[in-house]
Amino acid sequence: GQQVMQIPQYQHVQEGEDFTTYCNSSTTLSNIQWYKQRPGGHPVFLIQLVKSGEVKKQKRLTFQFGEAKKNSSLHITATQTTDVGTYFCAGTATGGSYIPTFGRGTSLIVHP
Amino acid sequence: DTGVSQDPRHKITKRGQNVTFRCDPISEHNRLYWYRQTLGQGPEFLTYFQNEAQLEKSRLLSDRFSAERPKGSFSTLEIQRTEQGDSAMYLCASSPPGIPGYEQYFGPGTRLTVT
Repeated sequence: GQQVMQIPQYQHVQEGEDFTTYCNSSTTLSNIQWYKQRPGGHPVFLIQLVKSGEVKKQKRLTFQFGEAKKNSSLHITATQTTDVGTYFCAGTATGGSYIPTFGRGTSLIVHP
Repeated sequence: DTGVSQDPRHKITKRGQNVTFRCDPISEHNRLYWYRQTLGQGPEFLTYFQNEAQLEKSRLLSDRFSAERPKGSFSTLEIQRTEQGDSAMYLCASSPPGIPGYEQYFGPGTRLTVT
């Protein structure tokens, strides 16, 4: 079955440093979504990427979808304590499915 | 837009008992998903509805689990003869119609503890 792997599992940064999490799928994806889950909270939708090589920005967050549509990344510039949480990618396989497979997530810890 | 709601937020039950959870999706969303999440893991897919039709169910899902969405609005997830391994957060999510329509909006979840 489809597998989605995320690295790293944890990342400690000092406030102001940059952060990147990577997502790799075992199969080609039709799209990928990114979610943020704060401690004790539920996943909150951030963005979805559909096109090969797509890059989208949301303020300090930059999302990329690989040319082969098998990998993606989320980069945060100049982290803030409000960025703390677990970031999940969720990939949907090609073929018309609406069922995403979630990665294990990357937990970001920002030290003030 | 009141968001996705779930009830109850917490449930403690004894092994062997049946439990039922409810999810109310965002009103115009036709797709509804149930997931289970344990500590340190991403949401694990359980089942998926489009309107009132249950279109997919995880092959890993025990036959003790059943879900319904009778009128294409709210949904219920029932677990029969609960086991300690069922302890987890149960999340419901909904998606809007249209293209691409892959984004999901999650409810706050129901935390189940089986003693």
